[in-house]
Amino acid sequence: GAVVSQHPSWVICKSGTSVKIECRSLDFQATTMFWYRQFPKQSLMLMATSNEGSKATYEQGVEKDKFLINHASLTLSTLTVTSAHPEDSSFYICSVRTGGDSGYTFGSGTRLTVV
Amino acid sequence: QKEVEQNSGPLSVPEGAIASLNCTYSDRGSQSFFWYRQYSGKSPELIMFIYSNGDKEDGRFTAQLNKASQYVSLLIRDSQPSDSATYLCAVKAEAGTALIFGKGTTLSVSS
Repeated sequence: GAVVSQHPSWVICKSGTSVKIECRSLDFQATTMFWYRQFPKQSLMLMATSNEGSKATYEQGVEKDKFLINHASLTLSTLTVTSAHPEDSSFYICSVRTGGDSGYTFGSGTRLTVV
Repeated sequence: QKEVEQNSGPLSVPEGAIASLNCTYSDRGSQSFFWYRQYSGKSPELIMFIYSNGDKEDGRFTAQLNKASQYVSLLIRDSQPSDSATYLCAVKAEAGTALIFGKGTTLSVSS
């Protein structure tokens, strides 16, 4: 199956700063990637669908100006949390659709803590 | 609003028993159904997927789907302590769309 690398695995930042999370598809050309957020003891909530070469599609309630997504190549999508606040502290996970019914591969996740 | 519902648990079973996990979904157009296992602090890992009514077996795991009832379940036979985790039900509504996840059921298998 596809291999998806997500970096960093954890990050601590100060309130008001920005943090960039990278999601790389190492062996598959991913035209579509998905970004999820998971709060403690909650499920994965879809934030946005990232499409290579075009604007991301954001889910209702997700601020596109705060969560900037760039999918400039078939192997890399980035999520930038701008002006982070403590309430943005969460587990962020990317997913690549690799085709077929079982074709979703997840990155290892990024634990973001905003202090 | 597409929803996937699961009992959050915890579901506690003794080692060797059968664990039964249930999930319902709201979108009748849903095509494929997935069960993921997630350990604390880790990303989900796929256990099984199913898209046809009936049962699908893979080792100790059996997924069951009933589209008329909008219900999908996962049975874990001969449960092991290592099976203790949160089990997420996920649904794909249309081709190419993202998975929609339930809140997960926490399973605890005691030795």
